Amino acid sequence: DTAVSQTPKYLVTQMGNDKSIKCEQNLGHDTMYWYKQDSKKFLKIMFSYNNKELIINETVPNRFSPKSPDKAHLNLHINSLELGDSAVYFCASSRRGGLGVNTIYFGEGSWLTVV
Amino acid sequence: DQQVKQNSPSLSVQEGRISILNCDYTNSMFDYFLWYKKYPAEGPTFLISISSIKDKNEDGRFTVFLNKSAKHLSLHIVPSQPGDSAVYFCAASGSARQLTFGSGTQLTVLP
Repeated sequence: DTAVSQTPKYLVTQMGNDKSIKCEQNLGHDTMYWYKQDSKKFLKIMFSYNNKELIINETVPNRFSPKSPDKAHLNLHINSLELGDSAVYFCASSRRGGLGVNTIYFGEGSWLTVV
Repeated sequence: DQQVKQNSPSLSVQEGRISILNCDYTNSMFDYFLWYKKYPAEGPTFLISISSIKDKNEDGRFTVFLNKSAKHLSLHIVPSQPGDSAVYFCAASGSARQLTFGSGTQLTVLP
């Protein structure tokens, strides 16, 4: 049973299109995240949701919008896709961190290619 | 400004020998450090962590060392096995409890 699952795994789309990536976790975690792995291989946080509240937004363009229908899901919507959006997007989840505890569990990644 | 740096993009080690992966950080407010391992076409998976109140944490073949004064941590794998070949990410966390990742080191263990 996959703990954090995201779909689609591969997505090729044209510039200007709007697309969504879905994510679900069955770990009972209360915080979910979206990370972007760019061409330089850095993993950078985009968003996190805790109890349906956005708590982190790291200067991501407003073309990107997270949607969390419930605690187990955090979908990523991207409008007007640009070439620079091509990257691997990872969904992740964790329990609300206690002192020193912040282990995050990742999905397998969604490879987005904008042409 | 990269707060977590992994300056070696790749490392090759002979099977059975020790692998040492290094990580440096600049933010003195980080108090929790983690290593993640990533295979191709998969998400990163948690490997081992260490709190800033410790200087060493061991789990089987994996040991993480933390030198707070140098703002440096390292991951030792001994003995290295071919299945250890992967990208290893260092990550750090502060009071905000969000992780900041390094750029990763590709470890190749040669049989």
